[in-house]
Amino acid sequence: NAGVTQTPKFRILKIGQSMTLQCTQDMNHNYMYWYRQDPGMGLKLIYYSVGAGITDKGEVPNGYNVSRSTTEDFPLRLELAAPSQTSVYFCASRRSGAETTNGYTFGSGTRLTVV
Amino acid sequence: DQQVKQNSPSLSVQEGRISILNCDYTNSMFDYFLWYKKYPAEGPTFLISISSIKDKNEDGRFTVFLNKSAKHLSLHIVPSQPGDSAVYFCAAGSSNTGKLIFGQGTTLQVKP
Repeated sequence: NAGVTQTPKFRILKIGQSMTLQCTQDMNHNYMYWYRQDPGMGLKLIYYSVGAGITDKGEVPNGYNVSRSTTEDFPLRLELAAPSQTSVYFCASRRSGAETTNGYTFGSGTRLTVV
Repeated sequence: DQQVKQNSPSLSVQEGRISILNCDYTNSMFDYFLWYKKYPAEGPTFLISISSIKDKNEDGRFTVFLNKSAKHLSLHIVPSQPGDSAVYFCAAGSSNTGKLIFGQGTTLQVKP
């Protein structure tokens, strides 16, 4: 059971480039989330999804897009990378109704640097 | 607008003593709360949770207390061990929206 898998683990982008951060879970979880963690800061919610075909904005959605065409995958798209998007990105998932039983499962993160 | 706040960036305690980490929230729609532990270069790992219908939940050395009227929760670790040294995040969620919001984190150092 792989849990939540994020790829790539590291990436350096130039300003204005685009990329997609991949997130896949094999636990059949309905809910999936994208967070970013800036140095010395907490996790900020970017986008989340309560099921395939349904997405919603979090606290800091500007500059990002998401899609949820399948239960397993929740990719995060950066269209025009900016230095302010330098951060560590975490994907998470949970089963519907399991908010407090075993929490949310997180991936190991993608460290993105925009230069 | 910081909906979940951890006002203490860091905390240092002696091994064997109690560690108390605090968290405040502003949104009354939150109906469950979780604590996560995070080591550098790793994703957060789930520690303990509490539903808004309870005021206490205990799991071994970890106890979470919820004061809904004050919109405040705390995590108690007794006794503290050096292996507990990490960043601790509290998070608040709404079962209506599915949203989960995190605080800024508190770095706990447990000294031998």
